[in-house]
Amino acid sequence: GAGVSQSPSNKVTEKGKDVELRCDPISGHTALYWYRQRLGQGLEFLIYFQGNSAPDKSGLPSDRFSAERTGESVSTLTIQRTQQEDSAVYLCASSPTRRQYTFGSGTRLTVV
Amino acid sequence: GENVEQHPSTLSVQEGDSAVIKCTYSDSASNYFPWYKQELGKGPQLIIDIRSNVGEKKDQRIAVTLNKTAKHFSLHITETQPEDSAVYFCAASGEAAGNKLTFGGGTRVLVKP
Repeated sequence: GAGVSQSPSNKVTEKGKDVELRCDPISGHTALYWYRQRLGQGLEFLIYFQGNSAPDKSGLPSDRFSAERTGESVSTLTIQRTQQEDSAVYLCASSPTRRQYTFGSGTRLTVV
Repeated sequence: GENVEQHPSTLSVQEGDSAVIKCTYSDSASNYFPWYKQELGKGPQLIIDIRSNVGEKKDQRIAVTLNKTAKHFSLHITETQPEDSAVYFCAASGEAAGNKLTFGGGTRVLVKP
C-alpha cells in the first residue's frame, strides 16, 4: 500500500490478557519503529528494527513487551498480561533511510 | 541519552497571526531535527526537517531555525489558518543514538477564526 498500515485500529482487552498489534510498513523501507503515545503526551520510543541487524530494544518498558519483524516486512508488537497502564496509542513508523519516518494511524489499546 | 523539551504545551493564536514553538535538546551529537504535525485520530506527519549543517529552512508558510551552539530549534508558522490547528512535535536524533528519534512533549496549537 501507499502508507504504513496498522491493525487493529482499536483494541479493548481485559487486564491480564495478551494482545498482538500488527504493522505493515511501506514496501522497501528497511527501518521500522514502534512508539507508544499515552493520552495527551509525547511519543515514547519502544523498539527499532533495521534490516537484518539485531533490533534495538532499549525502549521496551518491561519483559511483558516484545516485538518481531519478518525480514523487511510485517512487524508484530506483543504485550503479555496487559495492565491498565498499558492503555495508549501504539504507533508504528517506517523509513527508507533511518530518517524521515512515515507513521501509521496507530492502534488505540484500552485495558479494562 | 537525548532529552528534548518543547514549549509551550498549548498555543492559541488568531487566524492570520504567527505561531512559534521552541525546543531544546541535550545531546550535542544530535544532527537531525524534524517537526511532525498530528491531527486528531491520526499518526504524526512530517512537515519539515533540518540537518545540523543548516541554520534555517523554509517551506511556504513554515520555517525552522536551528542554533547548534545553544542546542535549540524553533518552528515558525506564518499567516496561520484554521487547518493549522493540531498537535506539533519536535524531535532530535543522531547516529550515536542509532538515528532513532527522541520527541518533545508536543504543542497543541489552536487557530481561532
